[in-house]
Amino acid sequence: KQEVTQIPAALSVPEGENLVLNCSFTDSAIYNLQWFRQDPGKGLTSLLLIQSSQREQTSGRLNASLDKSSGRSTLYIAASQPGDSATYLCAVPGGANNLFFGTGTRLTVIP
Amino acid sequence: SAVISQKPSRDICQRGTSLTIQCQVDSQVTMMFWYRQQPGQSLTLIATANQGSEATYESGFVIDKFPISRPNLTFSTLTVSNMSPEDSSIYLCSVGKGLAGAGEQFFGPGTRLTVL
Repeated sequence: KQEVTQIPAALSVPEGENLVLNCSFTDSAIYNLQWFRQDPGKGLTSLLLIQSSQREQTSGRLNASLDKSSGRSTLYIAASQPGDSATYLCAVPGGANNLFFGTGTRLTVIP
Repeated sequence: SAVISQKPSRDICQRGTSLTIQCQVDSQVTMMFWYRQQPGQSLTLIATANQGSEATYESGFVIDKFPISRPNLTFSTLTVSNMSPEDSSIYLCSVGKGLAGAGEQFFGPGTRLTVL
């Protein structure tokens, strides 16, 4: 069974810093990997989707990389802002479009 | 993309009662998914709702506790039955776009349930 792990569990940085969130998965036979953002008590917002044939995907200040063979992905956030404070989740497909989720990284950006 | 709405957004319920959560999608989709997120935890899949057939439940979840309806390709409901405080969670519906297992997932805003 696929297991997804995220490190660190929590991260606190001053505004303006660049940061990296890590995601690892045990079964490398995936079609894609997706990064989500979740604000407290809310639903999930899709940030980036990386297909297995891609090595990275960019959206604004966000850059996600995927190393399928080693079972790892990173989410890089440039010039962090207080509005980036949220929990970030990575997820991989489990077949039939359902997802296996990581444990999440709770990010706090201090003004 | 897909725009998903859920009702209610939150509720506080008494032990032993039931709550039905609605999920509406702005486009037709084959499968809809229901997830549970317990406090401080990540998401766990409850079941897959298929139009025209019974829902498929994951291990640890049963139809008597979480009955699901899927009357058409844009709507689904999840009922949390005979609730206990352990059912306090955020319940989210989601849909996939693209090929099964290879497409992007979109989530509703969630229903925050508190059981007293």
